[in-house]
Amino acid sequence: NAGVTQTPKFRVLKTGQSMTLLCAQDMNHEYMYWYRQDPGMGLRLIHYSVGEGTTAKGEVPDGYNVSRLKKQNFLLGLESAAPSQTSVYFCASNRGGGNYGYTFGSGTRLTVV
Amino acid sequence: TQLLEQSPQFLSIQEGENLTVYCNSSSVFSSLQWYRQEPGEGPVLLVTVVTGGEVKKLKRLTFQFGDARKDSSLHITAAQPGDTGLYLCAGLRGSNYKLTFGKGTLLTVNP
Repeated sequence: NAGVTQTPKFRVLKTGQSMTLLCAQDMNHEYMYWYRQDPGMGLRLIHYSVGEGTTAKGEVPDGYNVSRLKKQNFLLGLESAAPSQTSVYFCASNRGGGNYGYTFGSGTRLTVV
Repeated sequence: TQLLEQSPQFLSIQEGENLTVYCNSSSVFSSLQWYRQEPGEGPVLLVTVVTGGEVKKLKRLTFQFGDARKDSSLHITAAQPGDTGLYLCAGLRGSNYKLTFGKGTLLTVNP
């Protein structure tokens, strides 16, 4: 099925460890986004990309880095995980244009202990 | 400060009842979208409204965009247990098609 695939689905990290979350889309969308979802806070934008080779900061970028070396992939990195980064992370893509919605992945549940 | 305020935050009703969820802001949006999210899954787009005053119907769901494009509502008629989920509104402003999400309304429809 066409869509957005996120790996892994679950991960437990120790404080200070690093990891990379992978997002892949097969819809040839230009725009890709990383959000985090926390209870009582809703979905907040971490970083986004408007095309291959581009990245930009969102609302809550501190502690995260991203890369978009290929159009279909958008990677989110945590260099030194902190308990405050415990969250559910969602990747989304969009073809561009206000009439088109986002296609979301199924999320990665990350726990930092 | 939350850009998009959704109300109510929680809603528990019986099957067959009607309900309305509100999404309000002091800002103008070029479009507004509604998503539904089930546990363990990502949000799924229900509808996009673009024109002030626009009304869209999706079976038992009716979506309305305010005349000033600052607010929206979702009305469900004769709710069913399958409507249970987290309903999110999201507004589009500025460039790069970035969405700002409300905190959501968690709907439970009891059989």
